[in-house]
Amino acid sequence: AQSVSQHNHHVILSEAASLELGCNYSYGGTVNLFWYVQYPGQHLQLLLKYFSGDPLVKGIKGFEAEFIKSKFSFNLRKPSVQWSDTAEYFCAASAPMFSGGYNKLIFGAGTRLAVHP
Amino acid sequence: EAQVTQNPRYLITVTGKKLTVTCSQNMNHEYMSWYRQDPGLGLRQIYYSMNVEVTDKGDVPEGYKVSRKEKRNFPLILESPSPNQTSLYFCASSLSGYEQFFGPGTRLTVL
Repeated sequence: AQSVSQHNHHVILSEAASLELGCNYSYGGTVNLFWYVQYPGQHLQLLLKYFSGDPLVKGIKGFEAEFIKSKFSFNLRKPSVQWSDTAEYFCAASAPMFSGGYNKLIFGAGTRLAVHP
Repeated sequence: EAQVTQNPRYLITVTGKKLTVTCSQNMNHEYMSWYRQDPGLGLRQIYYSMNVEVTDKGDVPEGYKVSRKEKRNFPLILESPSPNQTSLYFCASSLSGYEQFFGPGTRLTVL
């Protein structure tokens, strides 16, 4: 079955530290990839997305992600985190074969990031 | 303002008492979905709809019903809620089925 795996469930960092959150997906064909963020008490917001083209994708708030097809990975990075980045981060994948035509999002389990001042 | 709204935001109910969570979007999106979010499991799709009167099961449809009589509305119905349906529920809409826009969530507790 198609799946999305996030390696770290909880990450604790100090402000200004660099961040990398791992994401792997199991589908071998054309896939669209997303990172969503959920701040405490809020709904999911799109951080960035990859459909095609440049595998290094830049999103909002200084986040970026790199699509590596050979590794089935789409890791999220930020060079220097801030306290306001404390949130839960979800990787998601969408592809036609996931549900026979409709492009359904398959989510990873999420990574809770806590940034200490 | 483009948005997806859900009501209620918080709900505590008892086993077996039918409830409906409403979802509405003002972006004229064709695709709408319901997800539940549980710790350690991420978001799992309950039902989705590709257009008016077109709905289909997601990954965890048991115990839920939906309807899509109008393009903007996609209510989630729990005919006989049980404690294992205690969760955080999100409605989402999308123009293409790819990028989805999420509502604020409904935290449901079934006692």
